[in-house]
Amino acid sequence: SAVISQKPSRDICQRGTSLTIQCQVDSQVTMMFWYRQQPGQSLTLIATANQGSEATYESGFVIDKFPISRPNLTFSTLTVSNMSPEDSSIYLCSVGGQEETQYFGPGTRLLVL
Amino acid sequence: QKEVEQNSGPLSVPEGAIASLNCTYSDRGSQSFFWYRQYSGKSPELIMSIYSNGDKEDGRFTAQLNKASQYVSLLIRDSQPSDSATYLCAPSWGYQKVTFGTGTKLQVIP
Repeated sequence: SAVISQKPSRDICQRGTSLTIQCQVDSQVTMMFWYRQQPGQSLTLIATANQGSEATYESGFVIDKFPISRPNLTFSTLTVSNMSPEDSSIYLCSVGGQEETQYFGPGTRLLVL
Repeated sequence: QKEVEQNSGPLSVPEGAIASLNCTYSDRGSQSFFWYRQYSGKSPELIMSIYSNGDKEDGRFTAQLNKASQYVSLLIRDSQPSDSATYLCAPSWGYQKVTFGTGTKLQVIP
């Protein structure tokens, strides 16, 4: 499986600001995904990021709030814009593997005050 | 709306016993099924995948799938305290899109 890193690992931000989370993979992958895991809950898919095309957002998530970049096959960023305390969560990137599998990065823990 | 149901637990088992984790799903189009283990404060880790009806064994783990009943389970034999974690059931409905259950918290008591 791929080795995935995320930056930052955690951050505390003020409401109204934006944070960009980076996801780096040690090998080229076609599909990358961004998830949110709110405290005590399961994972919710925000969007799918494929290189060379616009990200595909799930219901309830919009590009203005969560813009995503995918400049190449090993890197992606997720920006959480105009943050509010409700955005406090763990944000996870994952990459697609063989036979529908996914492998997750270590996550970014975000607290919005 | 794709639903994945898991008992939230905690499921407590003594060390050395068999832990049985269950999951039902609503989407009959699901073809691939995954179990992820998530330790507190960590990201999910893929531990089992199953694609056809029946049992699949990998070490102390056995996944069981019954598509007709829309049911998938995970058995952990000889449970160890290090198995204490939340286990997420995740059916996939194609294009690597999965729906994660809310997870079952397992506690293995030494």
